[in-house]
Amino acid sequence: GNSVTQMEGPVTLSEEAFLTINCTYTATGYPSLFWYVQYPGEGLQLLLKATKADDKGSNKGFEATYRKETTSFHLEKGSVQVSDSAVYFCALPNATGGGNKLTFGTGTQLKVEL
Amino acid sequence: GAVVSQHPSWVICKSGTSVKIECRSLDFQATTMFWYRQFPKQSLMLMATSNEGSKATYEQGVEKDKFLINHASLTLSTLTVTSAHPEDSSFYICSIRGQYNEQFFGPGTRLTVL
Repeated sequence: GNSVTQMEGPVTLSEEAFLTINCTYTATGYPSLFWYVQYPGEGLQLLLKATKADDKGSNKGFEATYRKETTSFHLEKGSVQVSDSAVYFCALPNATGGGNKLTFGTGTQLKVEL
Repeated sequence: GAVVSQHPSWVICKSGTSVKIECRSLDFQATTMFWYRQFPKQSLMLMATSNEGSKATYEQGVEKDKFLINHASLTLSTLTVTSAHPEDSSFYICSIRGQYNEQFFGPGTRLTVL
């Protein structure tokens, strides 16, 4: 089945630093790819998505490009803020069950300090 | 994206009692909803797929008699934790499926069993 691997955290950055959280995937075909963010005590929010190869998803200053050559979907932000502190999950549809389920990475905790 | 609510946001109950958690899709007719649980500092674990008008599909290792799911309408799914015990204490999150197989999540319900 489809799977994702993302870098382990925690990642600790100073405010205004550049952020990269790596995500690589293994999949049948070219499924949509997603990044979710979870703030403390809350559910997951869809941060951005890319629905086909070479697409770039973007939202709130975050970007990720669907790169089929390297099977990657790395999350980037040029200048992080303290409010970006959260756990970030890379995800893709699971090939079993008709693509209805999502397979999540283990999550990467980001801590942004002043 | 779609808006999903959960009620209650947190609940504390005594061991042996049953607890019902509601998941509502506020602006989208959801034929499929998902129920997850999440332990501290871990990723989400899919418990079951809830299908409107039919029986839920449970993941391997999830007791269907323990975690009763009812998807009575296109906007409401309920999860009932029966005869709850302290090991059932967790963060329960529901979601609905979107157009690109992304999922839109509720804010979660924190269950504490004493």
